[in-house]
Amino acid sequence: QQPVQSPQAVILREGEDAVINCSSSKALYSVHWYRQKHGEAPIFLMILLKGGEQKGHDKISASFNEKKQQSSLYLTASQLSYSGTYFCGTDHQGTYKYIFGTGTRLKVLA
Amino acid sequence: DAGVTQSPTHLIKTRGQHVTLRCSPISGHKSVSWYQQVLGQGPQFIFQYYEKEERGRGNFPDRFSARQFPNYSSELNVNALLLGDSALYLCASSFDTGGSGELFFGEGSRLTVL
Repeated sequence: QQPVQSPQAVILREGEDAVINCSSSKALYSVHWYRQKHGEAPIFLMILLKGGEQKGHDKISASFNEKKQQSSLYLTASQLSYSGTYFCGTDHQGTYKYIFGTGTRLKVLA
Repeated sequence: DAGVTQSPTHLIKTRGQHVTLRCSPISGHKSVSWYQQVLGQGPQFIFQYYEKEERGRGNFPDRFSARQFPNYSSELNVNALLLGDSALYLCASSFDTGGSGELFFGEGSRLTVL
């Protein structure tokens, strides 16, 4: 069951904030967030582990609600470089068998 | 340090042929996983290997196989290619197995099946 992301697409002006949500129908061990630009490989943004541990970049924040099986990625003061498709990757068993979400296309305009 | 490298970057095959894709992980990484990404969709998990052993397999037919070598590099093989196998194949490496570490992706091998 593929995690569902919302919104599917969002357009922002530079400096605006955005929230991207990821919802799973199964209990989660960890949630990863990746950004992929067109024609490029996905790059790691954030990992959130069951129990509250987080690892990621300083300018990215995220939350992980274990009970609701949801995660949200918070993008503040967006920059042009934030444009791309964002994927959450959910891991249910503590392995790297990630199930990636449906994706959110984000475009930041000058 | 070099990142994850994949070869070839692009290739065109015809239906029924066989293809081998190669991946070299980041130095020191022992886990390699393979993903298929169709245009407009998220990566779909195919295999994970750790210390040369298969640790996980996604919902792909037996035409897909993989292996990991003693130097931790990996190959993905696809037999009897179908049009639907056209996709970007991504390799990702990580230091260990388990969900607590990040995946480092290569640029991918774009396969077109005619």
